[in-house]
Amino acid sequence: DSGVTQTPKHLITATGQRVTLRCSPRSGDLSVYWYQQSLDQGLQFLIHYYNGEERAKGNILERFSAQQFPDLHSELNLSSLELGDSALYFCASSVVSGGVTEAFFGQGTRLTVV
Amino acid sequence: AQSVTQLDSQVPVFEEAPVELRCNYSSSVSVYLFWYVQYPNQGLQLLLKYLSGSTLVKGINGFEAEFNKSQTSFHLRKPSVHISDTAEYFCAIQTGANNLFFGTGTRLTVIP
Repeated sequence: DSGVTQTPKHLITATGQRVTLRCSPRSGDLSVYWYQQSLDQGLQFLIHYYNGEERAKGNILERFSAQQFPDLHSELNLSSLELGDSALYFCASSVVSGGVTEAFFGQGTRLTVV
Repeated sequence: AQSVTQLDSQVPVFEEAPVELRCNYSSSVSVYLFWYVQYPNQGLQLLLKYLSGSTLVKGINGFEAEFNKSQTSFHLRKPSVHISDTAEYFCAIQTGANNLFFGTGTRLTVIP
């Protein structure tokens, strides 16, 4: 158990809909990363938050947005869903120790768009 | 800019054979290097990391990786694989505090 909790584990929804994925980082970790993992594109970095502020953006579509709340949990919002958005979405939190970042991943949310 | 390239998306190998999973990176600053493993239906977990010192790093489950600065590579190796090593392996680099970049992964399939 990594200590990172993602809910829900599975989500099935229709095209055009909007969903929210939730991530609770490990206690004390200030950073949250979101990744999308699909069969054809592998692991793609979406966005990184640190202590409530956006730090870096990757290949995140405009239809997607995220935020990190004061209690450090994070939500990834996906809207106007398309079939191609079906993927495994991972959240990771990280700790910096001696200048080295180690990431701890949740089990992921499997999103299926039908 | 920084990037991580995993040259092989899939690597099939017979049980007890050796394996090498390749990783090359690009960065204008010095980096720390990592390999993560994802077993079926699980999240990623740290396999090993290179910070400094000896260029040969040993990790869990008999894996090791060698850092080659001139070739900007960090290839992962195991002399004899087991069925239980079937998983997806991700190379990652860190270029600054909290700047972590992953490759797209290599799926290792061990054939009985």
